[in-house]
Amino acid sequence: AQSVTQLGSHVSVSEGALVLLRCNYSSSVPPYLFWYVQYPNQGLQLLLKYTTGATLVKGINGFEAEFKKSETSFHLTKPSAHMSDAAEYFCAVSVPRGGGGADGLTFGKGTHLIIQP
Amino acid sequence: EAGVTQSPTHLIKTRGQQATLRCSPISGHTSVYWYQQALGLGLQFLLWYDEGEERNRGNFPPRFSGRQFPNYSSELNVNALELEDSALYLCASSLWMNTEAFFGQGTRLTVV
Repeated sequence: AQSVTQLGSHVSVSEGALVLLRCNYSSSVPPYLFWYVQYPNQGLQLLLKYTTGATLVKGINGFEAEFKKSETSFHLTKPSAHMSDAAEYFCAVSVPRGGGGADGLTFGKGTHLIIQP
Repeated sequence: EAGVTQSPTHLIKTRGQQATLRCSPISGHTSVYWYQQALGLGLQFLLWYDEGEERNRGNFPPRFSGRQFPNYSSELNVNALELEDSALYLCASSLWMNTEAFFGQGTRLTVV
């Protein structure tokens, strides 16, 4: 079974500073990897995803993540934090099935991103 | 295009009762996923339906059940409610061959 570990339940950065949210996964087969964002009292919105191909993935709102197989990591970064980035961020993994499609997503416990003015 | 819609947005039930939560996927999506987001426990995978069949199930007791209708909408039923079932229940949908899941706003279930 696959699993996801997000390091740091809370991360605080200053506005304009680099955002780095860490995610490590465990999977017996090459996984699909995702980052989602959740604003208060809302559902989850997909930021970016990695399935195959280029290991550096760019997403919405200036976020990007790099798949590093050797490190089993998929860290999320953004060069300059905005106040509007304050939210809960979830890393997720799914395992592609042989016939196409994938199993349900397995999520990390989430990281609450705090932006200091 | 309408996104994933869930109803009701809030539900208050008494311990021992049954709760029914509903989800309408994005038009054209055949897969529906249910997740429980309980305080301090993160997002837990509950159920996955596709083409009317249960494809996968998370580590939850049998009193959590559901179904998918011919129009691909889905229902989650929770029987014999316990206080610990209080959580935000999220539904997501995707195309079978597409790994990107789109989430609804959730149903907040409170068991008292």
